[in-house]
Amino acid sequence: DAGVTQSPTHLIKTRGQHVTLRCSPISGHKSVSWYQQVLGQGPQFIFQYYEKEERGRGNFPDRFSARQFPNYSSELNVNALLLGDSALYLCASSLAPMETQYFGPGTRLLVL
Amino acid sequence: GENVEQHPSTLSVQEGDSAVIKCTYSDSASNYFPWYKQELGKRPQLIIDIRSNVGEKKDQRIAVTLNKTAKHFSLHITETQPEDSAVYFCAAVRTGNQFYFGTGTSLTVIP
Repeated sequence: DAGVTQSPTHLIKTRGQHVTLRCSPISGHKSVSWYQQVLGQGPQFIFQYYEKEERGRGNFPDRFSARQFPNYSSELNVNALLLGDSALYLCASSLAPMETQYFGPGTRLLVL
Repeated sequence: GENVEQHPSTLSVQEGDSAVIKCTYSDSASNYFPWYKQELGKRPQLIIDIRSNVGEKKDQRIAVTLNKTAKHFSLHITETQPEDSAVYFCAAVRTGNQFYFGTGTSLTVIP
């Protein structure tokens, strides 16, 4: 049984550009959450989607947006990239809200 | 929003000794408390979790205790082994499935 997958694994962008990160949840999981993890820190909650609806949003600017598709996969979009957006972006899936979350391997984003 | 504090930030123990990591949270609406282990360059992995209707939970060498009145919870690892070396994160989850993570504890088990 495949775990949570994310693509791409690594990404280099320049300031002002836009980026799209993708996540496929574990089969049967309907909830996907996105986190930003800066080196040396714990993951910071960005978004949570369940049944294609946004269920939670962390303290991130409007440059960050996300969506969930009918197959429960998800995209995280970040516009007008800043140097401070450089981080590991983690996706986690769960059967439903408040259930155990399983993390993907992450996408490491470097903004130059 | 929720604020999760985690201590200590670094912890070194001798192999076979116990390790204790403590977290406090601020939002009384939080009712689910997972612990994750993250090895260098890898994804966080759930090692144990506890819900607010339970005071203690144990799984082999790992245990978690929760004091809802004081708003703190702790991870206990007994008989530590070198492979326990990693960064450990606590989290507090409130209604709405918003996971708030602590800042992490880097555990080193010295053989």
